[in-house]
Amino acid sequence: GENVEQHPSTLSVQEGDSAVIKCTYSDSASNYFPWYKQELGKGPQLIIDIRSNVGEKKDQRIAVTLNKTAKHFSLHITETQPEDSAVYFCAASSRGITGGFKTIFGAGTRLFVKA
Amino acid sequence: DADVTQTPRNRITKTGKRIMLECSQTKGHDRMYWYRQDPGLGLRLIYYSFDVKDINKGEISDGYSVSRQAQAKFSLSLESAIPNQTALYFCATSDRLRQETQYFGPGTRLLVL
Repeated sequence: GENVEQHPSTLSVQEGDSAVIKCTYSDSASNYFPWYKQELGKGPQLIIDIRSNVGEKKDQRIAVTLNKTAKHFSLHITETQPEDSAVYFCAASSRGITGGFKTIFGAGTRLFVKA
Repeated sequence: DADVTQTPRNRITKTGKRIMLECSQTKGHDRMYWYRQDPGLGLRLIYYSFDVKDINKGEISDGYSVSRQAQAKFSLSLESAIPNQTALYFCATSDRLRQETQYFGPGTRLLVL
């Protein structure tokens, strides 16, 4: 079946450094790729997303890139801060036969930003 | 997200017991979802509903049932809880016009002894 692989599972960086999380998807029909941030004791929250007709999207310190040919997409966080510490999930969505969207999530990356 | 609430936030139960997890939303969204989160496995879809009269199985529906009592309420039941249902459970919602973007509740941590 379809799956999304996410790497690394754990990432530790020094405050101010950049962090990169990579995902690979298998369903070629996927056309929407959200990234969620989950802080301790809270549910995942959408931080950025990208659609298949766009190669890159940026929002302040966060950027996402998509390579449809290789079925890769990545999250880039620059100038990391301690409050960036959380678990990050990537996901790949495609429209199902019933008209709804099917979303497959990656296993998550636990990011530690050391002050 | 305060617009999606889940009760209880934590629950301990015993094998064989029936329990219900509840989800309410004030976002006015018509689509609601139940996910399960296990360490190293990400989020897996249990059930989803596009409106009050619509219920659909996700990839791991066995051992679970749901009820969509109203547009704003979606409950998940474990008919006879077993230890491997110990997990973190999340409810989510999405809007019809942008259904691929989901908004998650704070989660319910369930321990089955």
